[in-house]
Amino acid sequence: AQTVTQSQPEMSVQEAETVTLSCTYDTSESDYYLFWYKQPPSRQMILVIRQEAYKQQNATENRFSVNFQKAAKSFSLKISDSQLGDAAMYFCAYTDTGTASKLTFGTGTRLQVTL
Amino acid sequence: GAGVSQSPSNKVTEKGKDVELRCDPISGHTALYWYRQSLGQGLEFLIYFQGNSAPDKSGLPSDRFSAERTGGSVSTLTIQRTQQEDSAVYLCASSLAARTYNEQFFGPGTRLTVL
Repeated sequence: AQTVTQSQPEMSVQEAETVTLSCTYDTSESDYYLFWYKQPPSRQMILVIRQEAYKQQNATENRFSVNFQKAAKSFSLKISDSQLGDAAMYFCAYTDTGTASKLTFGTGTRLQVTL
Repeated sequence: GAGVSQSPSNKVTEKGKDVELRCDPISGHTALYWYRQSLGQGLEFLIYFQGNSAPDKSGLPSDRFSAERTGGSVSTLTIQRTQQEDSAVYLCASSLAARTYNEQFFGPGTRLTVL
């Protein structure tokens, strides 16, 4: 079975600084997708960024980028120029073609942004 | 357009009572997913629908849990004889179809508290 591990329960970053959230996963599949979701106190899960396993280039969305290391099964999220609005729970998630898109999530990292 | 909506937002019930949680997906989305988020945990998959059929119910924790979807739209998750361990946030998501590349859009969830 596929598993997703987030080893940092909490992280803190100062406004305007850069922070990296870690995620590792385990799978025997070769075709899969990885995601980072943000969950603010409103509980609404918001997709931050998506990476397709067959693409070697790391995905980027404005201030958010990933470091995808397929061989190491690592998928970290880098947030640059952190803003107060980035404070939230961040979940790493995995899906593959064999699972009909159901997502397997890590346990999350709570990000605090300080002035 | 309207996003995924869920009702009620919060539900408090007594142990042993039945509860129904409702999810209204985005119009035109044929795939619908239910996840459960227990305190301090990531999200765990419960069940998904493609149209009105549920090809994968593997995440339902016991036979007290059931779900249906009618008209390819609204879905109801029913928990019978609720137990305290059922207390959690229940999140619903929808996507265009059950494909890995289709983004899942999440609702705000229903927080269930079983006393």
